[in-house]
Amino acid sequence: AQKVTQAQTEISVVEKEDVTLDCVYETRDTTYYLFWYKQPPSGELVFLIRRNSFDEQNEISGRYSWNFQKSTSSFNFTITASQVVDSAVYFCALSEANYGANSKLTFGKGITLSVRP
Amino acid sequence: NAGVTQTPKFRILKIGQSMTLQCTQDMNHNYMYWYRQDPGMGLKLIYYSVGAGITDKGEVPNGYNVSRSTTEDFPLRLELAAPSQTSVYFCASSYSPGPEQYFGPGTRLTVT
Repeated sequence: AQKVTQAQTEISVVEKEDVTLDCVYETRDTTYYLFWYKQPPSGELVFLIRRNSFDEQNEISGRYSWNFQKSTSSFNFTITASQVVDSAVYFCALSEANYGANSKLTFGKGITLSVRP
Repeated sequence: NAGVTQTPKFRILKIGQSMTLQCTQDMNHNYMYWYRQDPGMGLKLIYYSVGAGITDKGEVPNGYNVSRSTTEDFPLRLELAAPSQTSVYFCASSYSPGPEQYFGPGTRLTVT
């Protein structure tokens, strides 16, 4: 069974601070995909990144970076120099590369990030 | 391209009423999904479809039905609305398992 745990529920930082959002996952499959989605106050879900289980390289995109470690089943997300516009709920999600129901995204409960000016 | 569109954006239903949430995608995606999001929770899968004419249950299918007569459309039907179905409903699509799923803007449904 797939499971995604986001132990942090709410994080509050002051603008320009760095913040790391944690994600731990469980799966029996050897081939899987990990995702981060952002849900701003307007409610839509915005795709941020996808990682497949064979690619453990860290990725940086502007102020965002992701650290994927299979050894600890973690896929953490860091925002450098946070901005007020980063305030949102962030979801980590897992998908197994199988046809059928396991192609669904299994979501964590989300982390509410508040960035104060 | 419009991507994934959902209608309506908001709806209030009385207990026992029925309604259909519409979802359309113009990306020629095979896979389509319906999720619901309850406050403080992640999204949970209601139903999914791997292509026209093929649908199957997800984690929380009770009280819902779906159909997939075309690649583009994947409507979700609530037959006898109950307060437990108060939620935000998201439709999503992807080309195949693995690639990112593209989400619609959501439908906020309240059942009173």
